[in-house]
Amino acid sequence: GEKVEQHESTLSVREGDSAVINCTYTDTASSYFPWYKQEAGKSLHFVIDIRSNVDRKQSQRLIVLLDKKAKRFSLHITATQPEDSAIYFCAATYTNAYKVIFGKGTHLHVLP
Amino acid sequence: EAAVTQSPRSKVAVTGGKVTLSCHQTNNHDYMYWYRQDTGHGLRLIHYSYVADSTEKGDIPDGYKASRPSQENFSLILELASLSQTAVYFCASSPGLGGVAETLYFGSGTRLTVL
Repeated sequence: GEKVEQHESTLSVREGDSAVINCTYTDTASSYFPWYKQEAGKSLHFVIDIRSNVDRKQSQRLIVLLDKKAKRFSLHITATQPEDSAIYFCAATYTNAYKVIFGKGTHLHVLP
Repeated sequence: EAAVTQSPRSKVAVTGGKVTLSCHQTNNHDYMYWYRQDTGHGLRLIHYSYVADSTEKGDIPDGYKASRPSQENFSLILELASLSQTAVYFCASSPGLGGVAETLYFGSGTRLTVL
């Protein structure tokens, strides 16, 4: 069935280091891959996305890479800061492009 | 700024009772979604809608009904609440572009406890 697998459930990095979160998807027709951030006790908000017609996108310290052959996409957070600590969710649309499926989330801890 | 408002913020319900969670968006978005969040499961899609008066089943629709009476409003109904439906529920809306969902804007969530 339609799935988005998020490989790291927890990730700890030192402040200033980079963090990488990896996701894979099953539907080759997927065309839109957003990432969302959820801070403790709060709702989710959008941070960055990538579409299937490009393989890299950057927004400040966030970089998203898309490998369509491997059906894999990843979020890179460079020069991590304490405020980056949160749960990050990857997501994908499917053949039915109204439907948005989420991974299980990665809890990122940025350690001082 | 997109605005999605959920009510109530939290609710305690009894097993077998009826629960209605409401969602209202002022974004003029076509697509609306209900997700539930449980530890270890991430966000799972319950129901969604891409037009008023029509709803679609998501991945875990059993035990839930949805209603979209207008573009702005989308409700989630638990006719017979069960313990397993204790979770945090999020509503979201999306503008959509060319038939593809775009950025989702989430409400603040409803924490439902079924006793």
